[in-house]
Amino acid sequence: DTAVSQTPKYLVTQMGNDKSIKCEQNLGHDTMYWYKQDSKKFLKIMFSYNNKELIINETVPNRFSPKSPDKAHLNLHINSLELGDSAVYFCASSVNRATIYFGEGSWLTVV
Amino acid sequence: EDQVTQSPEALRLQEGESSSLNCSYTVSGLRGLFWYRQDPGKGPEFLFTLYSAGEEKEKERLKATLTKKESFLHITAPKPEDSATYLCAVQAGTSGTYKYIFGTGTRLKVLA
Repeated sequence: DTAVSQTPKYLVTQMGNDKSIKCEQNLGHDTMYWYKQDSKKFLKIMFSYNNKELIINETVPNRFSPKSPDKAHLNLHINSLELGDSAVYFCASSVNRATIYFGEGSWLTVV
Repeated sequence: EDQVTQSPEALRLQEGESSSLNCSYTVSGLRGLFWYRQDPGKGPEFLFTLYSAGEEKEKERLKATLTKKESFLHITAPKPEDSATYLCAVQAGTSGTYKYIFGTGTRLKVLA
């Protein structure tokens, strides 16, 4: 009964490939997020969707594209992966844009 | 510019040695301040939300307090299982244009 689940947990891929990370929440929350955590543990928001509508779109390369098919899902697709994309990506959700609950993270390594 | 700063960056304590972690912030329109715990290989786990200066929240050995400029996470008689990275986040802005800003965390190590 995981609240925010994301797959895959680990992903190793070559430069130039396209990959997706999937996220689902079963908390009934109306807002979902993608965060990137770098090697220094700094969490930076990438995107936020509220009721399937994009509300936060920070300055990230347009190789990153979020897709929200419904309120419970927010997937992240990354085109033409680069070495600098290696990081941990966290999906999260909240209700009424209050306390954020995070998934377990997806460790992306680009080689 | 909105900013959240946590100190110290790392902290080593002996079991039972109480201490405090600091989160200072400079933001416009504070809506809430959040504390999270993050274990290695895991996502941040929610601990507390504080909304106004003077507010305090407690959970087991942890107590969070808030002033107009900073928050403290007090750890009383810590145990080795309290070892983790503690993250502070601030939600700021006006209705419809809000944002979350995270600090870089304090890595806590409690030695037995």
